[in-house]
Amino acid sequence: SQQGEEDPQALSIQEGENATMNCSYKTSINNLQWYRQNSGRGLVHLILIRSNEREKHSGRLRVTLDTSKKSSSLLITASRAADTASYFCATDANPGAGSYQLTFGKGTKLSVIP
Amino acid sequence: EAEVAQSPRYKITEKSQAVAFWCDPISGHATLYWYRQILGQGPELLVQFQDESVVDDSQLPKDRFSAERLKGVDSTLKIQPAELGDSAMYLCASSLSGTGGIEAFFGQGTRLTVV
Repeated sequence: SQQGEEDPQALSIQEGENATMNCSYKTSINNLQWYRQNSGRGLVHLILIRSNEREKHSGRLRVTLDTSKKSSSLLITASRAADTASYFCATDANPGAGSYQLTFGKGTKLSVIP
Repeated sequence: EAEVAQSPRYKITEKSQAVAFWCDPISGHATLYWYRQILGQGPELLVQFQDESVVDDSQLPKDRFSAERLKGVDSTLKIQPAELGDSAMYLCASSLSGTGGIEAFFGQGTRLTVV
């Protein structure tokens, strides 16, 4: 089953514009991660935010987390054509028995037009 | 740079045939995941190993799917018999441990087409 739900499902912007993607989840989490996937390839980790953090930056990426609303957002500033990819949030929760599950949402497909 | 290796990269098989995928995680990574990703959707966890032990296989269709990680290193995922609905990308990932808050590293995946 999928924990996260990204919004929008698809986003098309011009190069240089900012792109914002949102993720909502259902149950309590320990951490939330964002991954990127180029077409037909594996996923690449972008950034991790812990449940006690509200905002985190990495280069052109800014992630926020609101645990009261069970939501997160990923902002990519000054987008480039190379940012064209699908972006997934993944929640990191412990259902018990010592194991942590990494559960992905359905993703946002971002197209950056040169 | 260390990476997760998967093979084959692409596989076409006829329905009712058996198919197997192989994954070699990054050296020293105790946790190994197999995910299935249908086109246009997010990855869904099939099975998670901690060393050689299965810690979660609740979403693995056990009547036709099996997974093993005998020596706690590389892993094999098998489907027998394959069905048309099994067509998907099968992704393997690994992480240092399953304690949470740690990024997972993904392989390039195996694209399975069942005809």
